[in-house]
Amino acid sequence: DIQMTQSPSTLSASVGDRVTITCRASQSIGSWLAWYQQKPGKAPKLLIYMASSLESGVPSRFSGSGSGTEFTLTISSLQPDDFATYYCQHYSTYSPAWTFGQGTKVEIK
Amino acid sequence: QVQLVESGGGVVQPGRALRLSCAASGFTFNTYTMHWVRQAPGKGLEWVALILYDGSNKYYADSVKGRFTISRDNSKNTLYLQLNSLRPEDTAVYYCARAGELSWGQGTLVTVSS
Repeated sequence: DIQMTQSPSTLSASVGDRVTITCRASQSIGSWLAWYQQKPGKAPKLLIYMASSLESGVPSRFSGSGSGTEFTLTISSLQPDDFATYYCQHYSTYSPAWTFGQGTKVEIK
Repeated sequence: QVQLVESGGGVVQPGRALRLSCAASGFTFNTYTMHWVRQAPGKGLEWVALILYDGSNKYYADSVKGRFTISRDNSKNTLYLQLNSLRPEDTAVYYCARAGELSWGQGTLVTVSS
């Protein structure tokens, strides 16, 4: 089974900071990776799909990159609404199960 | 627009059963693989099960295999999850989600407690 490892688990940052979250796969997954934002009591919100495609309506300060086994989510200038938990997800047409990273909580510094 | 609405959650005693439903709209339901994902309180996301577009194949996480059953009724645009032999560790918000162009519902809370 493919394992997804996210780092860091917690990140303290200030408004305006550039923030980067990393997700590593235990084997190559091509570009089959999504990123979600989740706020307390809410469903996950899709930000990025296919590693680097921005979901419609998501601010352009969010970007994704990577392929194979290493991926990053970058927030170019952190805004107050961005304090939340972020998850990476491996999904694929070729492997049925979904696998999630452990999550990264972005906190106010 | 795509809408997924879960229902059927509640408080149930250990060992009992519950059936969750997910009503889909805004897309051609019978052409999409569908998933259930859960999230225990304060924890991360855990994939639970999936069913192919036509119901021909189903897959389960080891943690629920033999206890949970995923099904669908394409005539009613509805996805189901039958939860049997419930345990306290099954307490979670259960989300239904669409494969392909990823979309999620808002979730339904299942609490297993005596």
